[in-house]
Amino acid sequence: DQQVKQNSPSLSVQEGRISILNCDYTNSMFDYFLWYKKYPAEGPTFLISISSIKDKNEDGRFTVFLNKSAKHLSLHIVPSQPGDSAVYFCAASADSNYQLIWGAGTKLIIKP
Amino acid sequence: GAVVSQHPSWVICKSGTSVKIECRSLDFQATTMFWYRQFPKQSLMLMATSNEGSKATYEQGVEKDKFLINHASLTLSTLTVTSAHPEDSSFYICSARTGARLNQPQHFGDGTRLSIL
Repeated sequence: DQQVKQNSPSLSVQEGRISILNCDYTNSMFDYFLWYKKYPAEGPTFLISISSIKDKNEDGRFTVFLNKSAKHLSLHIVPSQPGDSAVYFCAASADSNYQLIWGAGTKLIIKP
Repeated sequence: GAVVSQHPSWVICKSGTSVKIECRSLDFQATTMFWYRQFPKQSLMLMATSNEGSKATYEQGVEKDKFLINHASLTLSTLTVTSAHPEDSSFYICSARTGARLNQPQHFGDGTRLSIL
């Protein structure tokens, strides 16, 4: 049972345009969400997070939006840069459990 | 800050060998470290949670006698794959949490690619 789903295995975006990565979850107990970026043969790097009390969190080119009613969050990267090409993982946790539940990842390809 | 070092980065060894992977938090104390396994084109799978000074908590389906975890200090956790077989070949990644708050981000090592011949 996949509690965190990233339905797009890959996404291709033109350099300079907006990249939108999506994540859906099923567990209504999740109250904290994180996005990680991962290059091949490296560990994931934390990007940005959002608590369930917010619906938006922004950090530079990265913005995460949370729609609790739809159990959906998205990561917006604008403008997209070649160095953004990587696999992006969405993760979630519930207040009483520190364990992160991970999505399957979306491979983002930025085209020059 | 929040650097996690994982060693070795790549191991190739014969079937039946035991392999130890080290995970160190270089500039912070990590009371909790996590060990993940990643198969090609799949997500990270949490194997176990390691707390300093106590026994690791293993996820369902992970053999604790096969994957020995030791978290002897606040900066070091080790994962030993005992009597490794080809099916244990995978990418193993550790992470550490910087503080006591449960929802603080985990910081990851660069992973260890284990290939068992």
